[in-house]
Amino acid sequence: GDSVTQMEGPVTLSEEAFLTINCTYTATGYPSLFWYVQYPGEGLQLLLKATKADDKGSNKGFEATYRKETTSFHLEKGSVQVSDSAVYFCALTPLDDYKLSFGAGTTVTVRA
Amino acid sequence: EAGVAQSPRYKIIEKRQSVAFWCNPISGHATLYWYQQILGQGPKLLIQFQNNGVVDDSQLPKDRFSAERLKGVDSTLKIQPAKLEDSAVYLCASSQTGNQPQHFGDGTRLSIL
Repeated sequence: GDSVTQMEGPVTLSEEAFLTINCTYTATGYPSLFWYVQYPGEGLQLLLKATKADDKGSNKGFEATYRKETTSFHLEKGSVQVSDSAVYFCALTPLDDYKLSFGAGTTVTVRA
Repeated sequence: EAGVAQSPRYKIIEKRQSVAFWCNPISGHATLYWYQQILGQGPKLLIQFQNNGVVDDSQLPKDRFSAERLKGVDSTLKIQPAKLEDSAVYLCASSQTGNQPQHFGDGTRLSIL
């Protein structure tokens, strides 16, 4: 079945450092890909998405590019802030389906 | 726009007791989801409603879990009797339709003693 694998955490960074969280997927056809963020004590929020190959999703300084050839959707941010400390989830929905399949999540801590 | 509301935020019960969670989706959202998020894992879909009908409950442990969405708005998820492995955060989400982005509530954290 469809699945998502993301890099294990936790990841600890200093403020203004570069962040990359790797995500790869297994799916038939062309799924839609998502990054969700979960701040401490809160529910999940959609951070960005991409629905077809070579699409780039971006929001709040974060970017991810849908790479069909490597089945990847890596999340990047050039300069992180303390407020970016959260758990980040990569997810997909299959073509013509609603079901979100999530990765295990990556905990990111940014220190001042 | 008001978000997805869930209550309670926290619940502690002993095993074999029963518990219920409540969810109020975003106004006008026809599709409602319940997820279980075990510590260290991503959320897992338990059940999906379209209006007041069940679309998918294939991963709902029906011997102990039940859910309903009367009148196609609010929903309740019940566990009876609870087991230790049910300790998790239970997330409710809603979307306008089944293929639109899902909006999540803050969840209910359940601890089983």
